[in-house]
Amino acid sequence: GIQVEQSPPDLILQEGANSTLRCNFSDSVNNLQWFHQNPWGQLINLFYIPSGTKQNGRLSATTVATERYSLLYISSSQTTDSGVYFCAVDDTNAGKSTFGDGTTLTVKP
Amino acid sequence: GAGVSQTPSNKVTEKGKYVELRCDPISGHTALYWYRQSLGQGPEFLIYFQGTGAADDSGLPNDRFFAVRPEGSVSTLKIQRTERGDSAVYLCASSLMGTEQFFGPGTRLTVL
Repeated sequence: GIQVEQSPPDLILQEGANSTLRCNFSDSVNNLQWFHQNPWGQLINLFYIPSGTKQNGRLSATTVATERYSLLYISSSQTTDSGVYFCAVDDTNAGKSTFGDGTTLTVKP
Repeated sequence: GAGVSQTPSNKVTEKGKYVELRCDPISGHTALYWYRQSLGQGPEFLIYFQGTGAADDSGLPNDRFFAVRPEGSVSTLKIQRTERGDSAVYLCASSLMGTEQFFGPGTRLTVL
């Protein structure tokens, strides 16, 4: 099956700093999503982005499907951005997703 | 409701017991997914329904696990003869076919 690698595994930032999270995948994908899992375990949708670039406030994402990677940018980070960020891909268009192991982000005040 | 709901939020059971976990998807979503998440890892796919039928159950770890969605809406994940290794957070998601998935809050299962 498809392999998903996320980097870095852990990231510690000072409030206000910017960061880039990366997701590499081993095969062509039909769907790609970025999620934020908050401290209570809820997975929150950030982006549905099989290709191209999207922006939502301080967050943006870019997927370069031909090179098999996606990037999540967080600007002017806030303590509430802390949590685990997951990339999930689907290579079959059936919708079932393969998740990476996540990037754990800690934003310090 | 506005989002995916799951009940119970927590379930503690003894080894060897039977448990049922329930998922209510977003109204109108035809696709429903079950995942399992262990500490420090990403969610792992278990089974996917399109309507009432299981379109892909390749992620179910063994025949102790079974899921149903009899009317194409609510789904129940059933685990027989629970083992300590079944302890995890069980997540449900729903979507319109081929689009982004929306997750419920999960059920934390602890097998003593």
